[in-house]
Amino acid sequence: RKEVEQDPGPFNVPEGATVAFNCTYSNSASQSFFWYRQDCRKEPKLLMSVYSSGNEDGRFTAQLNRASQYISLLIRDSKLSDSATYLCVVNDPIGGGSYIPTFGRGTSLIVHP
Amino acid sequence: SQTIHQWPATLVQPVGSPLSLECTVEGTSNPNLYWYRQAAGRGLQLLFYSVGIGQISSEVPQNLSASRPQDRQFILSSKKLLLSDSGFYLCAWCRGLDTDIFHGYTFGSGTRLTVV
Repeated sequence: RKEVEQDPGPFNVPEGATVAFNCTYSNSASQSFFWYRQDCRKEPKLLMSVYSSGNEDGRFTAQLNRASQYISLLIRDSKLSDSATYLCVVNDPIGGGSYIPTFGRGTSLIVHP
Repeated sequence: SQTIHQWPATLVQPVGSPLSLECTVEGTSNPNLYWYRQAAGRGLQLLFYSVGIGQISSEVPQNLSASRPQDRQFILSSKKLLLSDSGFYLCAWCRGLDTDIFHGYTFGSGTRLTVV
């Protein structure tokens, strides 16, 4: 069974801190990768895609390491509003040009004043 | 722009009653569609996915079924609900075949089902 593993946390950090999450995946054929954010009792929302070259969006940086089969998310200058659960998502090919996503169970982040 | 609608938002149903949850997507054609369940404090479990009308794949054996009667409509059903069917049900879509696999998935707002 394909697996996507995340440390559930919670990561409890002060405002302004830098925090990093890792996510490992077991399927070497996985094609694309994402980080989602899920607020309490809400649906997950796409935070950012993860590219081999790494990508940055403001305070957020995502990295992919295919050799070691993990992706990471770095959040700089944490805000109270960053408190949420962060889900790692791995896209696996199922043939015929289609993919299905496998979600990690999420890492909980709590940013306190 | 594309939008996804899911209803109802909350539902309380007695054990043994039937279930029908509906999801529709607007602004696109031939999307890939997915049903997920998230139990309290747990991760997202893929229940069903569909790459086209009438094409349904099930990921886990369960008390539920899915149907796709139209291109942009995905329905989750049960003939008799169990207590263990309680959870947060999420519909999601992404672009279909021959498209950018880096597009990501967009979720509906979810249905919180409580079986009593």
